[in-house]
Amino acid sequence: SVLTQPPSVSAAPGQKVTIACSGGYSNMGTNSVSWYQQVPGTAPKLLIYDNNKRPSGIPDRFSGSKSDTSATLAIAGLQTGDEADYYCGTWDNVLRAGVFGGGTELTVL
Amino acid sequence: QVHLVQSGAEVKKPESSVKVSCKASADSFSTFAFNWVRQAPGHGLEWMGGIIPVFDKPIYAQNFQGRVTITADKSTNTAYMELSSLKSDDTAVYFCARGPPLLPPRYFQHWGQGTLVTVS
Repeated sequence: SVLTQPPSVSAAPGQKVTIACSGGYSNMGTNSVSWYQQVPGTAPKLLIYDNNKRPSGIPDRFSGSKSDTSATLAIAGLQTGDEADYYCGTWDNVLRAGVFGGGTELTVL
Repeated sequence: QVHLVQSGAEVKKPESSVKVSCKASADSFSTFAFNWVRQAPGHGLEWMGGIIPVFDKPIYAQNFQGRVTITADKSTNTAYMELSSLKSDDTAVYFCARGPPLLPPRYFQHWGQGTLVTVS
């Protein structure tokens, strides 16, 4: 994948977890980042757009940040219902394509 | 409330074509961007292309250039994705995803339920 994410992360209920996403100048360096949650077998769901904005209905336990060519999704107060795959995405100016990370599987222990 | 309802699963032979539809609830259909994103079994998300119906000028990922055609019918609020010269590694779930009225897309806010296309 053009964007790099860790394959998996885990944490206990109630804890906070962060998921990193790294890219390059042609993508994250010049374009905003979005984050998606996907429960296997269902469609992705938008969690964060424009680096740090939450759509209506997304709890403030989910937050996003971006610095240069890296972005981070933070999930506080983990719940078992947060178990899912998480993807970062952006546009790449050289590839002229939307690009995503390979996905990170979150396990709530 | 935005709803995107996609057509049903398809089984196709190699070298054939498939056309998947995505019907949107009437909510300024023409001015939003409709994108197609696919996900092969056990793999991540892959953007294929998008269209803003009112402009009717689709953009495509280079990986699919020449094989994919994205169209939109404003009279029925339906977007379409046709993929030709199918190969076994085109087996995937194909999602339509609506974003803000921008191309290139900035993000994908609303998603269809997905359509499984099996090439065998």
